[in-house]
Amino acid sequence: GQQVMQIPQYQHVQEGEDFTTYCNSSTTLSNIQWYKQRPGGHPVFLIQLVKSGEVKKQKRLTFQFGEAKKNSSLHITATQTTDVGTYFCAGPVGNDMRFGAGTRLTVKP
Amino acid sequence: DSGVTQTPKHLITATGQRVTLRCSPRSGDLSVYWYQQSLDQGLQFLIQYYNGEERAKGNILERFSAQQFPDLHSELNLSSLELGDSALYFCASRSSGGSSYTFGSGTRLTVV
Repeated sequence: GQQVMQIPQYQHVQEGEDFTTYCNSSTTLSNIQWYKQRPGGHPVFLIQLVKSGEVKKQKRLTFQFGEAKKNSSLHITATQTTDVGTYFCAGPVGNDMRFGAGTRLTVKP
Repeated sequence: DSGVTQTPKHLITATGQRVTLRCSPRSGDLSVYWYQQSLDQGLQFLIQYYNGEERAKGNILERFSAQQFPDLHSELNLSSLELGDSALYFCASRSSGGSSYTFGSGTRLTVV
């Protein structure tokens, strides 16, 4: 079945360093969504990408959707301690979304 | 407050027991999704309901069952509980015309 793979599983950075997480699908996705889960919290929707090659920015966060619509990335520039949490990508499978395993980001002040 | 309400927030129970987790979706949302998140793990899709009907099933054990009621709230029933069932259980809802999921705060289940 369709899988959404996400790497790395963990990332530890110094505050101010950049961070990137990658998401890959075994099949073409109609769209891809990104969520953030703070420690002890619940996943919160960040953004959805739909078009091939699409790039969207939210302040220090840059989201990309690959040309083949099978991969995506989330890049955070100059991380801050408020960026800590787990970032999930999710792609549609039938009527539901399948989530990647997530990348857990920790930021050292 | 996301608008999706889950109760209880915490639940501690013994092996072999049965529990019921409850979820009220956002007002107007017809779809309810249940996910299981074990410690430091991803979100495992369990089951989806739409307007009272089961729409999709994921990796849901036979010991687990769910339903969605006419008022659209949903319940996830977990029976013959095992230690490995300890996890966070999230409910999410989605509007008919929307695409993103809105998650509740989750129920943390601990089986001892």
